[in-house]
Amino acid sequence: GQNIDQPTEMTATEGAIVQINCTYQTSGFNGLFWYQQHAGEAPTFLSYNVLDGLEEKGRFSSFLSRSKGYSYLLLKELQMKDSASYLCAVLDSNYQLIWGAGTKLIIKP
Amino acid sequence: DAMVIQNPRYQVTQFGKPVTLSCSQTLNHNVMYWYQQKSSQAPKLLFHYYDKDFNNEADTPDNFQSRRPNTSFCFLDIRSPGLGDAAMYLCATSRDEYNEQFFGPGTRLTVL
Repeated sequence: GQNIDQPTEMTATEGAIVQINCTYQTSGFNGLFWYQQHAGEAPTFLSYNVLDGLEEKGRFSSFLSRSKGYSYLLLKELQMKDSASYLCAVLDSNYQLIWGAGTKLIIKP
Repeated sequence: DAMVIQNPRYQVTQFGKPVTLSCSQTLNHNVMYWYQQKSSQAPKLLFHYYDKDFNNEADTPDNFQSRRPNTSFCFLDIRSPGLGDAAMYLCATSRDEYNEQFFGPGTRLTVL
């Protein structure tokens, strides 16, 4: 079967750094996406990785290791508005997007 | 601004009363998706269209139907809503199946 694992919930402090991990087992791999979803709202696209390594985009970075079936999303200089769920999703060999259940990130002052 | 629009944002229906949710896009994307998302769960893909080619997920109940009359519009019909169908319904589009998906704001469906 296909599976995406990420922690259910994480807590971090405003101004700090947090790393949200995602591991996956899928039928093939055509890239990994990270989305941010605020409560009651739709997901918004954050990043896409298809090659190994780190992609940096402002305060957010995403890392991929295909051999380990592993990715992480790194958020720096945390702000209160970063409180949201972060969803990891993998595009499999049939170009179907397999979603994780999301990690709820709570930011405390 | 190019975007994905869903109407209505909130829909209340009665048990067994058919309901239609709509989605439109100005992105001119080839692919349109309908997802169901319940609280603290991953989005669950119901269907997607690549242009006019319809793809139904194997575990999507027959109670759910979809139409895409043209590139811009897509509809989700729930023929006989049950209490278990109360959820957020998300429409998304992508240029092709391997590109990032852009989501509409969602329609929150309540079944009484």
